[in-house]
Amino acid sequence: ETGVTQSPTHLIKTRGQQVTLRCSSQSGHNTVSWYQQALGQGPQFIFQYYREEENGRGNFPPRFSGLQFPNYSSELNVNALELDDSALYLCASSSKLSGGSGETQYFGPGTRLLVL
Amino acid sequence: KQEVTQIPAALSVPEGENLVLNCSFTDSAIYNLQWFRQDPGKGLTSLLLIQSSQREQTSGRLNASLDKSSGRSTLYIAASQPGDSATYLCAVFKAAGNKLTFGGGTRVLVKP
Repeated sequence: ETGVTQSPTHLIKTRGQQVTLRCSSQSGHNTVSWYQQALGQGPQFIFQYYREEENGRGNFPPRFSGLQFPNYSSELNVNALELDDSALYLCASSSKLSGGSGETQYFGPGTRLLVL
Repeated sequence: KQEVTQIPAALSVPEGENLVLNCSFTDSAIYNLQWFRQDPGKGLTSLLLIQSSQREQTSGRLNASLDKSSGRSTLYIAASQPGDSATYLCAVFKAAGNKLTFGGGTRVLVKP
């Protein structure tokens, strides 16, 4: 059973640029959630994808968008980068049955994004 | 709106001492609560998950309790070791929004 993987591990961008982060979910998992963790803080929920559809969204602007593919891997896209977008971006996969309630989420190692 | 608070923000203890980490949440309508460990610059490792119907979970030296009515959970780590040094995060899951809401974490240092 493979774990959750993310790429790239580190990334440096400048303000106004766009970035795409990638996540491969754990084998057998059909749900991916994305979180943003600023330095010294707890992770904040961005959104979740379940069977290729957005299934919940946190308090993030529309320039944060995502995709989930048929193999359940996922991408997080951020447009018009701002300095405050500098953070560790974590994805988590889980196995959600229809109407599932609070299954364990398994986190990847994260992508550290620095916006200059 | 669910808010999760962890006190203290940082903790330093000598090796062998027991650790007590606290987590409080404002909305008791949760499905479960999870405790995570995070090493510097790394992702999260799930330690324990307590369903809302449970009072505690144990794994090795770790024991977590949940009092949903008072909105509190406590993580106990017995006989701490230097390898326990990390940041510990608690998070609650509520079905609405399908998200985990995290506390700010407690940074633990166990001195040899």
